[in-house]
Amino acid sequence: GQQLNQSPQSMFIQEGEDVSMNCTSSSIFNTWLWYKQDPGEGPVLLIALYKAGELTSNGRLTAQFGITRKDSFLNISASIPSDVGIYFCAGRPLDDYKLSFGAGTTVTVRA
Amino acid sequence: EAGVTQSPTHLIKTRGQQATLRCSPISGHTSVYWYQQALGLGLQFLLWYDEGEERNRGNFPPRFSGRQFPNYSSELNVNALELEDSALYLCASSLLRGNQPQHFGDGTRLSIL
Repeated sequence: GQQLNQSPQSMFIQEGEDVSMNCTSSSIFNTWLWYKQDPGEGPVLLIALYKAGELTSNGRLTAQFGITRKDSFLNISASIPSDVGIYFCAGRPLDDYKLSFGAGTTVTVRA
Repeated sequence: EAGVTQSPTHLIKTRGQQATLRCSPISGHTSVYWYQQALGLGLQFLLWYDEGEERNRGNFPPRFSGRQFPNYSSELNVNALELEDSALYLCASSLLRGNQPQHFGDGTRLSIL
């Protein structure tokens, strides 16, 4: 499958901070998805993006479909403790129904 | 609306045994996907079924197989279990039409002793 580079691999957040993570691909995608996975659970869909340049929010989360169609980012504003978890980006290239996933960004609360 | 359900939640097997994992998709979804998530790793695509047919498979040996039933539920079978098969196995479902996103179940934790 396609290779997705997701960064950062991990981050520490302090309550109230804005945090950002991104995902890049080597080829053009027509769909970008962002998921969050809590321990012991399956990934939950946060935001779906379908058009280049699209900017979509879900509460404190905002994600954008890059204009080049090869990248996407996710922002979390005013983070709270329950934002901890693993965030995955996923993308669907042209002419393929199969999703490729990034390796995930682990978000932890800074003590 | 009920989400994707998977059973069992946990499964403990020994090397060489066979495991069967089950998945019920969201009502109306015809596509079912299986992923392996080893500890600390991302999701590795295993299999994709739609309308009862295997549409694609990932880079896994043939001892990983499955099927989809007429009601769109699915089974994943793993034969000749090896220690490295220990992982969380996730099932997802989607509508095939267009770019519909996949929705995941909570997975089956397979432990090989």
